Amino acid sequence: DQQVKQNSPSLSVQEGRISILNCDYTNSMFDYFLWYKKYPAEGPTFLISISSIKDKNEDGRFTVFLNKSAKHLSLHIVPSQPGDSAVYFCAAKSQTGANNLFFGTGTRLTVIP
Amino acid sequence: DAGVIQSPRHEVTEMGQEVTLRCKPISGHNSLFWYRQTMMRGLELLIYFNNNVPIDDSGMPEDRFSAKMPNASFSTLKIQPSEPRDSAVYFCASSLSGGPVPGFGQGTRLTVV
Repeated sequence: DQQVKQNSPSLSVQEGRISILNCDYTNSMFDYFLWYKKYPAEGPTFLISISSIKDKNEDGRFTVFLNKSAKHLSLHIVPSQPGDSAVYFCAAKSQTGANNLFFGTGTRLTVIP
Repeated sequence: DAGVIQSPRHEVTEMGQEVTLRCKPISGHNSLFWYRQTMMRGLELLIYFNNNVPIDDSGMPEDRFSAKMPNASFSTLKIQPSEPRDSAVYFCASSLSGGPVPGFGQGTRLTVV
């Protein structure tokens, strides 16, 4: 059972526009959420995170929004750049439970120059 | 700072052979994770260790898979015998216990023919 779901396997966006990547989770015990970015032939690298006590966290061009009632989070990238083209993984964990992260299946973002 | 180091980067083996994947976690990290990346399931957790002790191995698919962490700076994931369906990219990650952001290695791409 996928406890973290990314229902869009791919997304294409024009350079300069906004990219919105979505993620849903089912486990109400999750209270910490992360986004990882992965380039081909490399390991995932941490991008941004959010605790359940917040509903928004911003870091430069990247903003993560959390809607706890809907069990939904999204990653906004604005403006999108060609270098942002990668696979983005959403992940979640319970900070009081086991230390492991649960990942989604990833969304491949392509930013078109 | 050296990140998580995995070896080999690529492994091609024949069905039935034993395969050993290796991981050196980030120095000082006491949690270690083995993940497998597939198209269908994304990044799925196989096993994780805390202070060299296996905490959760419920993700290990079959008895053919085993993992060890003989000391704080080394872990192995062994598949014996290997099967074509084991072909995937295997990632090792490490973190501080209670620290929310695991760092990943570059992965081992395993192909079983």
